[in-house]
Amino acid sequence: EVQLVESGGGLVQPGRSLRLSCAASGFSFDDYAMHWVRQAPGKGLEWVSGISWNSGSIGYADSVKGRFTISRDNTKNSLYLQMNNLRTEDMALYYCAKSGSGSTLGDTFDIWGRGTMVTVSS
Amino acid sequence: DIVLTQSPDSLAVSLGERATINCKSSQTVLYTSNNENYLAWYQQKPGQPPKLLISSASTRESGVPDRFSGSGSGTDFTLTISSPQAEDVAVYYCQQYYNTPFTFGPGTTVDIK
Repeated sequence: EVQLVESGGGLVQPGRSLRLSCAASGFSFDDYAMHWVRQAPGKGLEWVSGISWNSGSIGYADSVKGRFTISRDNTKNSLYLQMNNLRTEDMALYYCAKSGSGSTLGDTFDIWGRGTMVTVSS
Repeated sequence: DIVLTQSPDSLAVSLGERATINCKSSQTVLYTSNNENYLAWYQQKPGQPPKLLISSASTRESGVPDRFSGSGSGTDFTLTISSPQAEDVAVYYCQQYYNTPFTFGPGTTVDIK
């Protein structure tokens, strides 16, 4: 069964850091680009960042550029999001999502995890 | 950045009554080299992650009921639910994957009367 399981969320003070992880199983992880998408409570979806199969192509939303870093470890079938200098507006449910059919960034998100909640508050 | 707008914000339909959701892009998402529209539709039910319904503007994903259909090209797109069922109550989002940053529409809430 294809599965994505996020972890690492929690309560953090503004200005602090957090690292999210996504464990993938049931598919050839290193064949696909991967993404992080977030959803603030009661709000819509916002793409945060994406990474190609070999980490050769990476993209970020303007709202997180310079503060967040996406990475992957294909030997561990894992995706990561290092979040620094967190702001209250970063508070959201963070989903890990698999690229639909491609190894590059421009593709749909066909498999989603259940998300990990990040709360930013003093 | 490509901005997607959706209309209406919400709609309530009777069982079996056609539901139509529109998505308009601020610029084309048609990739001319392969004539493919880089536009997807997702369904999100309460408490669940989004589910991919349609890719390339009109290609239904495996397992998606055929009452869901997508159409349009360039900058104007439509998701149609031909005969909505109770289980179709959800928020529907369009999304472009033409270029980064990938963006979503604000969502349309579908309810059953």
